[in-house]
Amino acid sequence: DTAVSQTPKYLVTQMGNDKSIKCEQNLGHDTMYWYKQDSKKFLKIMFSYNNKELIINETVPNRFSPKSPDKAHLNLHINSLELGDSAVYFCASSLRGYNEKLFFGSGTQLSVL
Amino acid sequence: TQLLEQSPQFLSIQEGENLTVYCNSSSVFSSLQWYRQEPGEGPVLLVTVVTGGEVKKLKRLTFQFGDARKDSSLHITAAQPGDTGLYLCAGASQGGSEKLVFGKGTKLTVNP
Repeated sequence: DTAVSQTPKYLVTQMGNDKSIKCEQNLGHDTMYWYKQDSKKFLKIMFSYNNKELIINETVPNRFSPKSPDKAHLNLHINSLELGDSAVYFCASSLRGYNEKLFFGSGTQLSVL
Repeated sequence: TQLLEQSPQFLSIQEGENLTVYCNSSSVFSSLQWYRQEPGEGPVLLVTVVTGGEVKKLKRLTFQFGDARKDSSLHITAAQPGDTGLYLCAGASQGGSEKLVFGKGTKLTVNP
């Protein structure tokens, strides 16, 4: 069983469209995250949720909206996609907090044309 | 803003060679993690170091946390092609904003 699974693996879309990425973890962890990895492989945190509550909201455009229906799911919705949004987006989870082992999904490669 | 600088950015070596990757910061971290990421996959945790001066070994990999908890190193002995990947260090902040800060990574290629 995959511990942290995210879908889709690849997402190719036009500028201006709205898209969502889904993430689920079956580890029973309390905290989930969204990270963005740019073309230079720099991994930067976007959001963190603990038990469905938003903990970290980095300087991310309002077009990005995370939603956590329960502590096992953290989805990412992106409105009005821009060229600069092209990147690999990783979902991750940890048992409790940020200073513990992170379990990452396999990533969603988003390409905005 | 806490920054982690990793060096070298790229490293290409022959099988059997030794190498060291560095992770440096001007900030103090409560703990530091090392991850390895392979193409098309998410990072996977290798080790966490917590105490200043701590040394941990994972088979041919040796991790050290600096005495002041501002830097760390990863040494690989007798590198193998299977060690190829992107090595990322990540520091947990000490006080202040609670988040894990990642370095930009070292891309290691071990040629057979």
